[in-house]
Amino acid sequence: DVKVTQSSRYLVKRTGEKVFLECVQDMDHENMFWYRQDPGLGLRLIYFSYDVKMKEKGDIPEGYSVSREKKERFSLILESASTNQTSMYLCASRSYSNQPQHFGDGTRLSIL
Amino acid sequence: GQQLNQSPQSMFIQEGEDVSMNCTSSSIFNTWLWYKQDPGEGPVLLIALYKAGELTSNGRLTAQFGITRKDSFLNISASIPSDVGIYFCAGQARGGNNRKLIWGLGTSLAVNP
Repeated sequence: DVKVTQSSRYLVKRTGEKVFLECVQDMDHENMFWYRQDPGLGLRLIYFSYDVKMKEKGDIPEGYSVSREKKERFSLILESASTNQTSMYLCASRSYSNQPQHFGDGTRLSIL
Repeated sequence: GQQLNQSPQSMFIQEGEDVSMNCTSSSIFNTWLWYKQDPGEGPVLLIALYKAGELTSNGRLTAQFGITRKDSFLNISASIPSDVGIYFCAGQARGGNNRKLIWGLGTSLAVNP
């Protein structure tokens, strides 16, 4: 079974802090994704990576950056956290483009 | 970004009833996926569809890839309390955006025991 592990289930940070969300997958998948999920808005893609050191903007990249230095790890960075970034963050991975994405359990991030 | 039209938005049913939900798109897709999300968890893949007209079952769940390639439906037969959750459809087209999934907003299912 595919295992996608997000480093924290719950996280509380302060406005202006730099925040790192980590995601690790154990299936040697090529592609990895970061989404945020808000009530009534569904899943919105922030960034994705189709290979090591490669990244592409999703639909809502503003205020975020990502890092993929190793194939198994994809990090989401909030450069200067703001209250409107309070949300559920979901990481996903897949082997290649026409295969399903597999999700981690999510990180519920609160910015105070 | 683009979104799929998923309906109904929510359902409240009695245990034992059958459930049907669907997704439509203005674009042609080559892949349709159905996921379920339990409260506080990440979405879990239920069924993946790769060919127009394909009908696939997973236990009490059945999903179909529409012939026009612009729609898909998911049926749940004889619902039970653990079916409660949010069900999402997602589609993927071949071509320039072939690495991204397009998502529906979800169908929230409540089951009365």
